[in-house]
Amino acid sequence: GENVEQHPSTLSVQEGDSAVIKCTYSDSASNYFPWYKQELGKRPQLIIDIRSNVGEKKDQRIAVTLNKTAKHFSLHITETQPEDSAVYFCAARARGSNYKLTFGKGTLLTVNP
Amino acid sequence: DVKVTQSSRYLVKRTGEKVFLECVQDMDHENMFWYRQDPGLGLRLIYFSYDVKMKEKGDIPEGYSVSREKKERFSLILESASTNQTSMYLCAIQREGRETQYFGPGTRLLVL
Repeated sequence: GENVEQHPSTLSVQEGDSAVIKCTYSDSASNYFPWYKQELGKRPQLIIDIRSNVGEKKDQRIAVTLNKTAKHFSLHITETQPEDSAVYFCAARARGSNYKLTFGKGTLLTVNP
Repeated sequence: DVKVTQSSRYLVKRTGEKVFLECVQDMDHENMFWYRQDPGLGLRLIYFSYDVKMKEKGDIPEGYSVSREKKERFSLILESASTNQTSMYLCAIQREGRETQYFGPGTRLLVL
């Protein structure tokens, strides 16, 4: 089955800096890659996603890039703010499965004022 | 606004008890999921259901069962709770043909 590795497990940045979280996946047939943000005590919420036919997607200060050859994808947050502090999860969905997401273990991002 | 609710935010049970966790949605979404979240392990899929009375095992189904008698309700059952089932349990829903999964608020279960 699919295996998703996520790095780093913790990341601390100064407000205004950029943050990058990377994930690798094992199944070359995976075709959908969402990123979820979970603030302390709250439910995970989708913040951005990318499909395998696209190399990059942006939404204001966040972007996701996908390298299918290397089987990795990354979340980029620019101009970080304290409210960006949260746990971020990447996930991958194998082609042929409309349901099953395999999640990475999460990255705790701390943005220091 | 997507609405997914879980029956309890916090639950304390004793070893050996039968435990029911319930997830209810009002979005008419076909697919429902139960995940377990543990520090350092991320979210792991226990079971999912793509229709009433239909279910499939996820990655860690051992010690759990599920029930979906109505479209809006998906129950996770711990037949005989054990201390290693102490965890945060998250329900999620997804509309058939769409990709986004929406999560419930979670139930933090402590098994003593």
